[in-house]
Parts: sequence; C-alpha cells; structure tokens
Amino acid sequence: NAGVTQTPKFQVLKTGQSMTLQCAQDMNHNSMYWYRQDPGMGLRLIYYSASEGTTDKGEVPNGYNVSRLNKREFSLRLESAAPSQTSVYFCASRDWTGSTDTQYFGPGTRLTVL
Amino acid sequence: DAKTTQPTSMDCAEGRAANLPCNHSTISGNEYVYWYRQIHSQGPQYIIHGLKNNETNEMASLIITEDRKSSTLILPHATLRDTAVYYCIVIPFSGSARQLTFGSGTQLTVLP
Repeated sequence: NAGVTQTPKFQVLKTGQSMTLQCAQDMNHNSMYWYRQDPGMGLRLIYYSASEGTTDKGEVPNGYNVSRLNKREFSLRLESAAPSQTSVYFCASRDWTGSTDTQYFGPGTRLTVL
Repeated sequence: DAKTTQPTSMDCAEGRAANLPCNHSTISGNEYVYWYRQIHSQGPQYIIHGLKNNETNEMASLIITEDRKSSTLILPHATLRDTAVYYCIVIPFSGSARQLTFGSGTQLTVLP
C-alpha cells in the first residue's frame, strides 16, 4: 500500500516549456486534489476532482490544467511554465467515509522555472 | 470554520512526551478537531482527529476538553523525527469538496 505517489520528485523547466505532474493513489478514494506551497507559505488549492470524471477549479487555477484519468490517477499540466509557478506541488486524496474526512498527501514535486 | 490558536513554537527533549495545545473556542457541534504535521520539505501528514472523546492511535493521543473549546495533542515519546510544524484545524463533517487550510501552526523542535 504505497498511499499517494507523485512523479517526478524534482524538475527544472525553462520559461515557456510544458510538463505534466503525475499523481496516483491506491486507497480507492473518490476525491483527489492538487495544491501548491510556496516557501514559508500555506497550501493553496489549484484544482480538485470530487470523483472520477469530474474536475473543478480551486483557489489558483490559472496556468494549469488537470486530467482525472481514472479513479487512481490525477495529473496536473503546465502548458507554458512561468517563473511564478516555481513551487512545491502536492497531490492529495481524500478519505470521506463515516466519521472521517482526511486528506493523505504525496511527497511532493519540487518545480523550478527559470 | 472555527478559528484555532496555537503557540508559535515549542521545544521538547527526546524521549519525553510532547504536549501541543490548541484553542478552538468557537468550535461548532458538527466540527471535528484534526491534527496534521509537516516535516520540512515533506507533504503534510495526517496524525489524528476527534469529535468529543479522547482518541489514541499509533502516532499520538488527542485530548479534547469537555466543553470542546481546546485540545491537546500528545506525542508520548518524542523522537528527533517528530520535529515538524504541527497544525490543529477544525473541519465540519460535510460532503462538499474541502480545501485544507492550515494556520501558522506550532513549530515543535525535539532536542537531543
């Protein structure tokens, strides 16, 4: 049971390049999330997927797109990277059953845009 | 959601119990108390949650006062690996998609 996995762990891009961050969970959760965390700051929600086949914008969606490929996988795409997107990106899946509303996070992708 | 107040920082000797307080005096009846932590450069990690009863799991214990206006997270035998920022948040139990919003938390430093 790996929980939430993310690839890659580190990435350096040049301005204007594109890339896709991958996330997968093996806990059979319906909801998945993408957050970014800038140095010394809190989490900011980029996009979320309440269930397979649905996605919605969060607090800071501009410059990003997402795909909920299946129940396990939720990817985040930067079409034209900008230095302002330098950040640590965390994927999370949500366990909402019974008396639990808990998010489980991946290890993060550290992205630098030059 | 109810606001929480935590001390900015705390130290604890390795092997001793770490007791982290949290004030949530405006908590509503349907709101749970959750604790997460974030070890430097890692993803946030769920620790424990509770509604009104004390809870214990393999990581920690959660003590909630009878009036539910405050709680204490207890790490019974702190290790150096427990050095992290600890976040106390209150979450209403609902089905809506929920963004996690942490406050500034408590920086716990476990000293050798």
